[in-house]
Amino acid sequence: EDQVTQSPEALRLQEGESSSLNCSYTVSGLRGLFWYRQDPGKGPEFLFTLYSAGEEKEKERLKATLTKKESFLHITAPKPEDSATYLCAVQAGSSGNTPLVFGKGTRLSVIA
Amino acid sequence: EPEVTQTPSHQVTQMGQEVILRCVPISNHLYFYWYRQILGQKVEFLVSFYNNEISEKSEIFDDQFSVERPDGSNFTLKIRSTKLEDSAMYFCASSLSINTGELFFGEGSRLTVL
Repeated sequence: EDQVTQSPEALRLQEGESSSLNCSYTVSGLRGLFWYRQDPGKGPEFLFTLYSAGEEKEKERLKATLTKKESFLHITAPKPEDSATYLCAVQAGSSGNTPLVFGKGTRLSVIA
Repeated sequence: EPEVTQTPSHQVTQMGQEVILRCVPISNHLYFYWYRQILGQKVEFLVSFYNNEISEKSEIFDDQFSVERPDGSNFTLKIRSTKLEDSAMYFCASSLSINTGELFFGEGSRLTVL
């Protein structure tokens, strides 16, 4: 069974204090790994797709990296508006039809 | 910017009642999904829909659930006889391609079953 585990469950940072969120996965043939941001009471918002080990993607203060067993979401000099829950999801298999499997997320709070 | 819209934003119903949740996906998207999130839990896949038929469904999506695209714009999720454990946030999503995990989610419909 495909599994996604995210750590920590919650993270509190001071504004400007860089850190990383972890997503460990067990999947039968990774088709893609995805990062989403979810604000309270809202739907997930797509951030990044990573397809193969060694790949990196960047967007503003966020950088996502991928290894064969885990992905990291690095947050550089975060601001209060980066506060949200960050979700990791995997898509497995050779077919593009397999659904996303999500982790429980990391709830990030950035304090001014 | 195009977005996925869902109605209602919140519905309260009695156990055993039928509920229909509605979604308008992004207009040029071809693939439609329902996911749900029980409070404090993971986002879970329910069903995917393409070309007017179900592509994939999870174990959660049993005979009490059905989906329909009644016209060219709406996509609905029906729960025939709600149970307490159906209480959750239900998210509709759409995508342009099946070969992508880049889904566009709506803001969700919160279902409370009493």
